[in-house]
Amino acid sequence: KAGVTQTPRYLIKTRGQQVTLSCSPISGHRSVSWYQQTPGQGLQFLFEYFSETQRNKGNFPGRFSGRQFSNSRSEMNVSTLELGDSALYLCASSLDGGSIDEQYFGPGTRLTVT
Amino acid sequence: AQSVAQPEDQVNVAEGNPLTVKCTYSVSGNPYLFWYVQYPNRGLQFLLKYITGDNLVKGSYGFEAEFNKSQTSFHLKKPSALVSDSALYFCAVRDDTGGFKTIFGAGTRLFVKA
Repeated sequence: KAGVTQTPRYLIKTRGQQVTLSCSPISGHRSVSWYQQTPGQGLQFLFEYFSETQRNKGNFPGRFSGRQFSNSRSEMNVSTLELGDSALYLCASSLDGGSIDEQYFGPGTRLTVT
Repeated sequence: AQSVAQPEDQVNVAEGNPLTVKCTYSVSGNPYLFWYVQYPNRGLQFLLKYITGDNLVKGSYGFEAEFNKSQTSFHLKKPSALVSDSALYFCAVRDDTGGFKTIFGAGTRLFVKA
């Protein structure tokens, strides 16, 4: 089975711009979660989607949004980029996102905001 | 509220020696605990999980973890460390209250010296 894929792998944006990141989960996985990883804050949960519905959301401003499509692929969008949004954004998929499911992570998208 | 603590930023061990990476947690309901490993420039990989049953859980690459309910701990162990085990290790927790949210610890960097 192919693993979780994320595109693009690297992005450089300017403050004030917006960005869209994409994630394709492992075939058959219906839950997709997004995380922001920074050296200072570690891994911070952004949101989780299952069957095109957001089931949970972390403590991030409304500039961070996401969606999931009927084929379980997911996108996250960050509008009005700030310097502090520079981070590695990780996507993870699991079968149905239940509490006992382990997650499978993609390689991440490295976003740099200048 | 869920929380995870990894009290050591870094653990240093000589190759061939046993290693321990510590993790303590706090959850409202019953805990589901996970360990993940991140190699340089790669996404996180699942190592092992505790759901219920035997307190000693075995996982990938010879790692194991011991669940201790009274001490709310889930320490990662390996009897004999390899240089290739050098990586960033994350402990994570969910509970059974249905939040669909995984909380990660800050991570512990493991250095194994030849």
